[in-house]
Amino acid sequence: GAGVSQSPSNKVTEKGKDVELRCDPISGHTALYWYRQSLGQGLEFLIYFQGNSAPDKSGLPSDRFSAERTGGSVSTLTIQRTQQEDSAVYLCASSLTGFAQYFGPGTRLTVL
Amino acid sequence: AQKITQTQPGMFVQEKEAVTLDCTYDTSDPSYGLFWYKQPSSGEMIFLIYQGSYDQQNATEGRYSLNFQKARKSANLVISASQLGDSAMYFCAMREGDGYGNKLVFGAGTILRVKS
Repeated sequence: GAGVSQSPSNKVTEKGKDVELRCDPISGHTALYWYRQSLGQGLEFLIYFQGNSAPDKSGLPSDRFSAERTGGSVSTLTIQRTQQEDSAVYLCASSLTGFAQYFGPGTRLTVL
Repeated sequence: AQKITQTQPGMFVQEKEAVTLDCTYDTSDPSYGLFWYKQPSSGEMIFLIYQGSYDQQNATEGRYSLNFQKARKSANLVISASQLGDSAMYFCAMREGDGYGNKLVFGAGTILRVKS
């Protein structure tokens, strides 16, 4: 079946602009995660959605970051007033059981 | 304190030989899961193998096996019969607790290069 998909694959934006990153999880997966991968910080957890429960937002680095998940499926990560330090690869993952998280190809964000 | 430590920034291995990638972890939770992911130059994270803290036997998946030493808190990945396509970054990760979808904490990764 289809894996996790993310769009866009690349995004270049100017400092101060807002961006939206999209994630389509594997069909039927109830858990969805966002991570960020950057050179200086490695792989960092951002936010986690599980069914209808309140999301775990403990990894969001600032209030400029937000995410929502509509209909228990597609998720959008929004970064407002982007800064250069937001430049990174944003990875989405989904899981059905507690065992493996399956990752998408990522969105490479470059803030000029 | 680092929860996942991968002490080898880079490794070389000759094609067809076995290689061990080191991973140590730190947790006080009796229930946890350990994962290895492969990230080739294309960037996608590929799930390789999983070990639960209560699993009695070491996990194996094809050419991958996980050498789980609970007392030492180590979870080394062994790749047998290395292939050129194994060249990639490898990440060790841990999920604390047995929660349905607890977040993963990743190590810094090890770059593996397979030589022909």
